[in-house]
Amino acid sequence: AQTVTQSQPEMSVQEAETVTLSCTYDTSESDYYLFWYKQPPSRQMILVIRQEAYKQQNATENRFSVNFQKAAKSFSLKISDSQLGDAAMYFCAYIAPYSGAGSYQLTFGKGTKLSVIP
Amino acid sequence: NAGVMQNPRHLVRRRGQEARLRCSPMKGHSHVYWYRQLPEEGLKFMVYLQKENIIDESGMPKERFSAEFPKEGPSILRIQQVVRGDSAAYFCASSPPSSIETQYFGPGTRLLVL
Repeated sequence: AQTVTQSQPEMSVQEAETVTLSCTYDTSESDYYLFWYKQPPSRQMILVIRQEAYKQQNATENRFSVNFQKAAKSFSLKISDSQLGDAAMYFCAYIAPYSGAGSYQLTFGKGTKLSVIP
Repeated sequence: NAGVMQNPRHLVRRRGQEARLRCSPMKGHSHVYWYRQLPEEGLKFMVYLQKENIIDESGMPKERFSAEFPKEGPSILRIQQVVRGDSAAYFCASSPPSSIETQYFGPGTRLLVL
């Protein structure tokens, strides 16, 4: 079964600084997708960034970028120029559509709570 | 393009009552998913539906829980005879046919069972 592990329950960063959140996963599939979702205090789940496993290039969305290491099964999120509005829970998620039974399910990590210090 | 809509946003029920949670997917999305989030936990998959079909309900409890996505109208997650352990946030997500791996979430329904 696929598992997603976020080893940092909590992180903090100074406003305007850079922070990296870690995520590792376990899978036997070669074709899959990885995501980072943000859950602010409103508890809405917001898609931050998406990475296709077959793409070697790391995804980037404005201040958010990932470091995808397929061989190591690692998928970290880097937030540059941190802002107060970045404070939230961040969840790493995995999906391998078309791989068989249960393949349409997103598997989530337990999350990392990010605090931004003014 | 409006996002995924869920209602109600908050729902309070007494033990033994029924809870009905509604989800309208984004326009053009034909795939709907329900997830449950317990306190201090990540989201856990419950069920995946397309119009008039349940595709995967492997995450649904065997009893008291059911889901539907009719030809017309929103998807409904129904919990009969609620118990305190059902208290959680229930999220609906949808994806387009062309990109089923990318799921967009609604704001969630917070269910509190007294």
